[in-house]
Amino acid sequence: KAGVTQTPRYLIKTRGQQVTLSCSPISGHRSVSWYQQTPGQGLQFLFEYFSETQRNKGNFPGRFSGRQFSNSRSEMNVSTLELGDSALYLCASSPGGGSGNTIYFGEGSWLTVV
Amino acid sequence: KQEVTQIPAALSVPEGENLVLNCSFTDSAIYNLQWFRQDPGKGLTSLLLIQSSQREQTSGRLNASLDKSSGRSTLYIAASQPGDSATYLCAVSNSGNTPLVFGKGTRLSVIA
Repeated sequence: KAGVTQTPRYLIKTRGQQVTLSCSPISGHRSVSWYQQTPGQGLQFLFEYFSETQRNKGNFPGRFSGRQFSNSRSEMNVSTLELGDSALYLCASSPGGGSGNTIYFGEGSWLTVV
Repeated sequence: KQEVTQIPAALSVPEGENLVLNCSFTDSAIYNLQWFRQDPGKGLTSLLLIQSSQREQTSGRLNASLDKSSGRSTLYIAASQPGDSATYLCAVSNSGNTPLVFGKGTRLSVIA
């Protein structure tokens, strides 16, 4: 059974650009969550999608957005990149939604903004 | 607002030692608590999930306990090995449909 797949694994962008990250959850999982991890702030929740609907949203500016497709794959987009957006972006999936089940993380997408 | 604290931030032990990692949370009305492991540059791997009604969970050399009333959890690692070197993160959820709140982790080094 394939795990959570995130693409791309590494990318470098320039300030002001935008970026789209992709996440394919484990087959059969309908919930996808996104987290930002930085050395200073640790893991911070961005948003969660369940059956194509955003169910929870963290405290991030509107430059951060996401969506989920009918096959449960999810994308997140960051517009007008800032240096502070440099981070590891982690996607996680779970079977029935929410945190009542074990949650499975992908390897992450390393974003560097220069 | 739920806050999760992990102490110490880093820990170095000799191989074979038994050790305890600590996690505390401010709101005791949790739904569940999970312990994760993260290797450098990698994603997180779930180690143990404890529901609010449970007191402990065990998997191999790992044992996690939960004391909701005091807002504490511990992860006990028996007979540590160099392969246990990683960052261990604790995360809590306040309901079945709310996101996990993570601590900043304890970076463990097991020296051969």
